[in-house]
Amino acid sequence: DGGITQSPKYLFRKEGQNVTLSCEQNLNHDAMYWYRQDPGQGLRLIYYSQIVNDFQKGDIAEGYSVSREKKESFPLTVTSAQKNPTAFYLCASTNTGLAGTDTQYFGPGTRLTVL
Amino acid sequence: GENVEQHPSTLSVQEGDSAVIKCTYSDSASNYFPWYKQELGKRPQLIIDIRSNVGEKKDQRIAVTLNKTAKHFSLHITETQPEDSAVYFCAATRRDTGRRALTFGSGTRLQVQP
Repeated sequence: DGGITQSPKYLFRKEGQNVTLSCEQNLNHDAMYWYRQDPGQGLRLIYYSQIVNDFQKGDIAEGYSVSREKKESFPLTVTSAQKNPTAFYLCASTNTGLAGTDTQYFGPGTRLTVL
Repeated sequence: GENVEQHPSTLSVQEGDSAVIKCTYSDSASNYFPWYKQELGKRPQLIIDIRSNVGEKKDQRIAVTLNKTAKHFSLHITETQPEDSAVYFCAATRRDTGRRALTFGSGTRLQVQP
């Protein structure tokens, strides 16, 4: 877990504003994921990336965008098109190679609040 | 896609008792089933996982059982302690696909009464 960092820990967004959440990992993992967690609910997949310069929509991608220019970085942008962005955002990574253990390691999360 | 249902949503036990949380999944191709523990405001932490070629796995006070035919798996915590109080999530995925993203259950809030 210590190999994944997210920033900021808390983020406040005004209506109509885009914000970017940072996720960095030094575990040399191939795959990275973004999940959203609402109070009292499980985690839902927003986007995922298996390799650099490639990413795929998850189950709730509308209003979000990502990039994967470097193996260790997978930033998430919450756009103004996301009408209800207040949530806890969690980044995760895993090693998908032949020696991969399947374990997904999570970052500490970013709590986003819309003002 | 995969759908995971988790029960109960809340569970209160006395310290020293056992706790059981159950999950069902819909995709028969799912073959990896982790359990995460999440304390308030913190990241989920993996506590145990099981692959589809195994029916049961134990780690000290924690065990997971898997019934592939019925498509359900369960978490068993014995001799519960107050520090076991947290929200527990089950999840499922297919290891042999590119996505490998986890589909989570809705969580069980476990409270262990001293």
